[in-house]
Amino acid sequence: KQEVTQIPAALSVPEGENLVLNCSFTDSAIYNLQWFRQDPGKGLTSLLLIQSSQREQTSGRLNASLDKSSGRSTLYIAASQPGDSATYLCAVRGGTYKYIFGTGTRLKVLA
Amino acid sequence: EAEVAQSPRYKITEKSQAVAFWCDPISGHATLYWYRQILGQGPELLVQFQDESVVDDSQLPKDRFSAERLKGVDSTLKIQPAELGDSAMYLCASSLNSGTKTEAFFGQGTRLTVV
Repeated sequence: KQEVTQIPAALSVPEGENLVLNCSFTDSAIYNLQWFRQDPGKGLTSLLLIQSSQREQTSGRLNASLDKSSGRSTLYIAASQPGDSATYLCAVRGGTYKYIFGTGTRLKVLA
Repeated sequence: EAEVAQSPRYKITEKSQAVAFWCDPISGHATLYWYRQILGQGPELLVQFQDESVVDDSQLPKDRFSAERLKGVDSTLKIQPAELGDSAMYLCASSLNSGTKTEAFFGQGTRLTVV
Protein backbone atom coordinates (compact mmCIF):
# COMPACT_ATOMS: atom_id res chain seq x y z
CA LYS A 1 0.00 0.00 0.00
CA GLN A 2 1.43 3.36 -1.02
CA GLU A 3 2.22 5.74 1.81
CA VAL A 4 3.35 9.35 1.38
CA THR A 5 5.17 11.31 4.06
CA GLN A 6 6.07 14.98 4.10
CA ILE A 7 8.74 16.54 6.26
CA PRO A 8 8.75 18.96 7.96
CA ALA A 9 5.11 19.26 9.01
CA ALA A 10 5.56 22.99 9.57
CA LEU A 11 8.19 25.54 8.68
CA SER A 12 8.66 29.20 9.51
CA VAL A 13 11.34 31.20 7.71
CA PRO A 14 12.28 34.84 7.17
CA GLU A 15 11.58 36.40 3.81
CA GLY A 16 14.27 35.83 1.20
CA GLU A 17 15.40 32.40 2.35
CA ASN A 18 15.73 29.48 -0.02
CA LEU A 19 13.96 26.43 1.33
CA VAL A 20 13.39 22.75 0.64
CA LEU A 21 10.27 20.72 1.30
CA ASN A 22 10.53 16.94 1.32
CA CYS A 23 8.17 14.22 0.16
CA SER A 24 8.84 10.48 0.42
CA PHE A 25 6.80 7.54 -0.82
CA THR A 26 7.03 3.82 -0.15
CA ASP A 27 6.18 2.32 -3.56
CA SER A 28 8.43 3.46 -6.40
CA ALA A 29 6.01 2.20 -9.09
CA ILE A 30 4.46 5.60 -9.73
CA TYR A 31 3.29 7.25 -12.94
CA ASN A 32 3.93 10.78 -11.77
CA LEU A 33 4.14 13.08 -8.78
CA GLN A 34 2.36 16.38 -8.39
CA TRP A 35 3.01 19.26 -5.99
CA PHE A 36 0.08 21.39 -4.86
CA ARG A 37 -0.41 24.57 -2.90
CA GLN A 38 -3.39 25.03 -0.57
CA ASP A 39 -4.35 28.34 1.02
CA PRO A 40 -6.46 28.20 4.22
CA GLY A 41 -10.02 27.10 3.51
CA LYS A 42 -9.39 26.80 -0.21
CA GLY A 43 -8.93 24.08 -2.79
CA LEU A 44 -5.66 22.79 -4.24
CA THR A 45 -3.67 24.62 -6.87
CA SER A 46 -1.32 22.54 -9.01
CA LEU A 47 2.26 23.81 -8.93
CA LEU A 48 4.35 21.22 -10.73
CA LEU A 49 3.91 17.80 -12.30
CA ILE A 50 6.90 15.46 -12.64
CA GLN A 51 6.45 12.45 -14.86
CA SER A 52 8.03 9.18 -13.73
CA SER A 53 10.68 9.44 -16.47
CA GLN A 54 11.71 12.96 -15.46
CA ARG A 55 14.20 14.08 -12.84
CA GLU A 56 12.99 17.63 -12.29
CA GLN A 57 10.60 20.38 -13.31
CA THR A 58 10.86 24.12 -12.90
CA SER A 59 8.34 26.93 -12.77
CA GLY A 60 9.54 30.38 -11.84
CA ARG A 61 11.04 30.25 -8.34
CA LEU A 62 9.93 26.64 -7.87
CA ASN A 63 11.95 23.57 -8.71
CA ALA A 64 10.81 20.03 -8.00
CA SER A 65 13.02 16.97 -8.26
CA LEU A 66 12.15 13.29 -8.33
CA ASP A 67 14.28 10.28 -7.39
CA LYS A 68 11.93 7.40 -8.04
CA SER A 69 14.32 4.66 -7.01
CA SER A 70 14.76 6.12 -3.53
CA GLY A 71 11.12 7.20 -3.23
CA ARG A 72 11.83 10.88 -2.77
CA SER A 73 10.85 14.25 -4.16
CA THR A 74 11.87 17.72 -3.08
CA LEU A 75 10.28 21.08 -3.74
CA TYR A 76 12.79 23.92 -3.74
CA ILE A 77 11.49 27.47 -3.31
CA ALA A 78 13.96 30.22 -4.09
CA ALA A 79 13.91 33.65 -2.47
CA SER A 80 10.79 32.98 -0.42
CA GLN A 81 8.14 35.71 -0.08
CA PRO A 82 5.28 36.22 2.41
CA GLY A 83 2.87 35.36 -0.41
CA ASP A 84 4.37 31.87 -0.48
CA SER A 85 2.80 31.16 2.93
CA ALA A 86 0.47 28.19 2.47
CA THR A 87 0.32 24.43 2.89
CA TYR A 88 2.24 22.45 0.29
CA LEU A 89 1.05 18.95 -0.56
CA CYS A 90 2.63 16.27 -2.69
CA ALA A 91 0.63 13.49 -4.33
CA VAL A 92 1.79 10.38 -6.17
CA ARG A 93 -0.24 8.67 -8.86
CA GLY A 94 -0.16 4.96 -9.59
CA GLY A 95 -1.50 2.94 -12.49
CA THR A 96 -5.18 3.33 -11.63
CA TYR A 97 -4.95 7.14 -11.82
CA LYS A 98 -5.52 7.26 -8.07
CA TYR A 99 -3.66 10.04 -6.24
CA ILE A 100 -2.23 9.40 -2.76
CA PHE A 101 -1.45 12.52 -0.73
CA GLY A 102 0.97 13.35 2.01
CA THR A 103 -0.16 15.30 5.08
CA GLY A 104 1.44 18.51 3.86
CA THR A 105 3.99 21.07 5.02
CA ARG A 106 2.60 24.31 6.48
CA LEU A 107 4.89 27.11 5.40
CA LYS A 108 4.97 30.57 6.92
CA VAL A 109 7.27 33.20 5.42
CA LEU A 110 7.84 36.15 7.75
CA ALA A 111 8.16 39.67 6.34
CA GLU B 1 -9.19 29.17 -18.02
CA ALA B 2 -11.22 26.00 -17.43
CA GLU B 3 -11.92 25.16 -13.79
CA VAL B 4 -13.54 22.47 -11.71
CA ALA B 5 -16.73 23.95 -10.27
CA GLN B 6 -18.12 22.91 -6.90
CA SER B 7 -21.18 24.01 -4.97
CA PRO B 8 -22.01 24.98 -2.37
CA ARG B 9 -18.78 26.49 -1.00
CA TYR B 10 -19.99 26.17 2.58
CA LYS B 11 -22.65 24.03 4.17
CA ILE B 12 -23.82 23.80 7.76
CA THR B 13 -26.18 20.96 8.56
CA GLU B 14 -27.56 19.31 11.63
CA LYS B 15 -26.64 15.80 12.63
CA SER B 16 -28.87 13.16 11.00
CA GLN B 17 -29.86 15.44 8.12
CA ALA B 18 -29.11 14.76 4.48
CA VAL B 19 -26.60 16.85 2.53
CA ALA B 20 -25.48 16.88 -1.10
CA PHE B 21 -22.52 18.36 -2.95
CA TRP B 22 -22.21 18.99 -6.66
CA CYS B 23 -19.17 19.00 -8.93
CA ASP B 24 -18.74 19.95 -12.58
CA PRO B 25 -15.35 18.83 -13.91
CA ILE B 26 -13.31 20.42 -16.66
CA SER B 27 -14.92 19.69 -20.00
CA GLY B 28 -13.61 16.51 -21.57
CA HIS B 29 -12.07 15.11 -18.39
CA ALA B 30 -13.07 11.47 -18.14
CA THR B 31 -11.82 10.87 -14.61
CA LEU B 32 -13.52 12.52 -11.64
CA TYR B 33 -12.50 12.21 -8.00
CA TRP B 34 -14.12 13.04 -4.68
CA TYR B 35 -11.70 13.56 -1.80
CA ARG B 36 -12.31 14.31 1.88
CA GLN B 37 -9.84 16.44 3.79
CA ILE B 38 -9.99 16.66 7.55
CA LEU B 39 -8.39 19.78 9.01
CA GLY B 40 -4.62 19.40 9.24
CA GLN B 41 -4.50 16.25 7.10
CA GLY B 42 -3.98 15.43 3.47
CA PRO B 43 -6.94 14.65 1.18
CA GLU B 44 -8.18 11.05 1.14
CA LEU B 45 -9.95 9.50 -1.82
CA LEU B 46 -13.62 8.68 -1.32
CA VAL B 47 -14.58 7.71 -4.86
CA GLN B 48 -13.12 7.74 -8.35
CA PHE B 49 -15.14 7.69 -11.59
CA GLN B 50 -14.03 6.84 -15.09
CA ASP B 51 -16.79 8.34 -17.24
CA GLU B 52 -19.96 7.17 -15.48
CA SER B 53 -18.42 4.07 -13.90
CA VAL B 54 -17.02 3.79 -10.37
CA VAL B 55 -13.37 2.73 -10.48
CA ASP B 56 -12.59 2.92 -6.76
CA ASP B 57 -14.95 3.45 -3.83
CA SER B 58 -13.10 1.32 -1.32
CA GLN B 59 -12.87 4.16 1.22
CA LEU B 60 -16.45 5.40 0.77
CA PRO B 61 -18.62 4.74 3.87
CA LYS B 62 -21.38 3.15 1.84
CA ASP B 63 -23.86 2.94 4.69
CA ARG B 64 -24.26 6.72 4.57
CA PHE B 65 -22.41 8.06 1.52
CA SER B 66 -23.40 7.74 -2.12
CA ALA B 67 -21.98 9.20 -5.31
CA GLU B 68 -23.19 9.27 -8.86
CA ARG B 69 -22.09 10.54 -12.23
CA LEU B 70 -25.05 9.54 -14.36
CA LYS B 71 -24.08 11.04 -17.73
CA GLY B 72 -20.35 10.88 -17.21
CA VAL B 73 -20.10 14.64 -16.77
CA ASP B 74 -21.10 16.28 -13.47
CA SER B 75 -21.32 14.41 -10.20
CA THR B 76 -23.17 14.49 -6.90
CA LEU B 77 -21.93 13.26 -3.52
CA LYS B 78 -24.58 12.66 -0.87
CA ILE B 79 -24.40 12.00 2.85
CA GLN B 80 -27.43 10.64 4.68
CA PRO B 81 -27.55 10.84 7.62
CA ALA B 82 -24.74 13.27 8.39
CA GLU B 83 -22.66 12.67 11.51
CA LEU B 84 -20.47 15.03 13.51
CA GLY B 85 -17.36 13.26 12.23
CA ASP B 86 -18.27 14.13 8.64
CA SER B 87 -17.22 17.74 9.20
CA ALA B 88 -14.46 18.28 6.67
CA MET B 89 -13.56 19.84 3.32
CA TYR B 90 -14.92 17.85 0.37
CA LEU B 91 -12.82 18.31 -2.73
CA CYS B 92 -13.63 17.38 -6.30
CA ALA B 93 -10.95 16.90 -8.93
CA SER B 94 -10.79 15.86 -12.56
CA SER B 95 -8.14 14.69 -14.98
CA LEU B 96 -7.67 13.98 -18.66
CA ASN B 97 -6.10 10.56 -18.91
CA SER B 98 -2.87 11.03 -20.84
CA GLY B 99 -0.47 8.52 -19.35
CA THR B 100 2.32 9.92 -17.21
CA LYS B 101 1.37 13.48 -18.23
CA THR B 102 -1.99 13.16 -16.48
CA GLU B 103 -2.50 16.13 -14.18
CA ALA B 104 -5.25 16.50 -11.60
CA PHE B 105 -7.15 19.78 -11.25
CA PHE B 106 -9.09 20.55 -8.09
CA GLY B 107 -12.10 22.69 -7.33
CA GLN B 108 -12.39 25.14 -4.43
CA GLY B 109 -14.07 22.54 -2.26
CA THR B 110 -17.16 22.45 -0.04
CA ARG B 111 -16.57 23.07 3.64
CA LEU B 112 -19.09 20.96 5.59
CA THR B 113 -19.86 21.60 9.24
CA VAL B 114 -22.16 19.17 11.02
CA VAL B 115 -23.66 20.51 14.25
